[in-house]
Amino acid sequence: GDSVTQMEGPVTLSEEAFLTINCTYTATGYPSLFWYVQYPGEGLQLLLKATKADDKGSNKGFEATYRKETTSFHLEKGSVQVSDSAVYFCALSVASGGSYIPTFGRGTSLIVHP
Amino acid sequence: DGGITQSPKYLFRKEGQNVTLSCEQNLNHDAMYWYRQDPGQGLRLIYYSQIVNDFQKGDIAEGYSVSREKKESFPLTVTSAQKNPTAFYLCASSPIGRLYEQYFGPGTRLTVT
Repeated sequence: GDSVTQMEGPVTLSEEAFLTINCTYTATGYPSLFWYVQYPGEGLQLLLKATKADDKGSNKGFEATYRKETTSFHLEKGSVQVSDSAVYFCALSVASGGSYIPTFGRGTSLIVHP
Repeated sequence: DGGITQSPKYLFRKEGQNVTLSCEQNLNHDAMYWYRQDPGQGLRLIYYSQIVNDFQKGDIAEGYSVSREKKESFPLTVTSAQKNPTAFYLCASSPIGRLYEQYFGPGTRLTVT
């Protein structure tokens, strides 16, 4: 079946440091790829997406590139802020009989210190 | 403002009681989903519905039931048959034409003692 593997957290950084959160996937079809962010006690918010190979999704300074050859979708940000502290989920979605049922990774907690 | 509302934010129940979690959306989305989130886990799909009066089981449907009588509403009932119901429950929806994107509500934390 489909699966998403994320690096385990927590990832602890100082403010203005460079962030990378690794995500790799296995999928039977041609997936769309996503990063979601969850702040404490809240639901998930779509952060960025890419729907085909070599696409780069970007939002709020975060970026991720769909790499089909390495089945990866790593999340990066050049300079993190304390307000970026949250849990980040990588996810994929593949069409199956007219439905799109996402598969989520386990989440990676990011803690940014001032 | 368009969005997804879940109520209540916190819910407490005694073992053996059924409890219904509310999910309403005014985004005019066709598809709606229920997930369960446990600490350190990803999201696990309980049920989903793509049209009114139709829904399908997800990976962990046992002990749960849903209905979809209106496009805007997708309530989840946690029955007494669910062996470990204490968790954070998330409702989501997707627009037709972009079913691969999900928009989430704020969640309900259910505690059963």
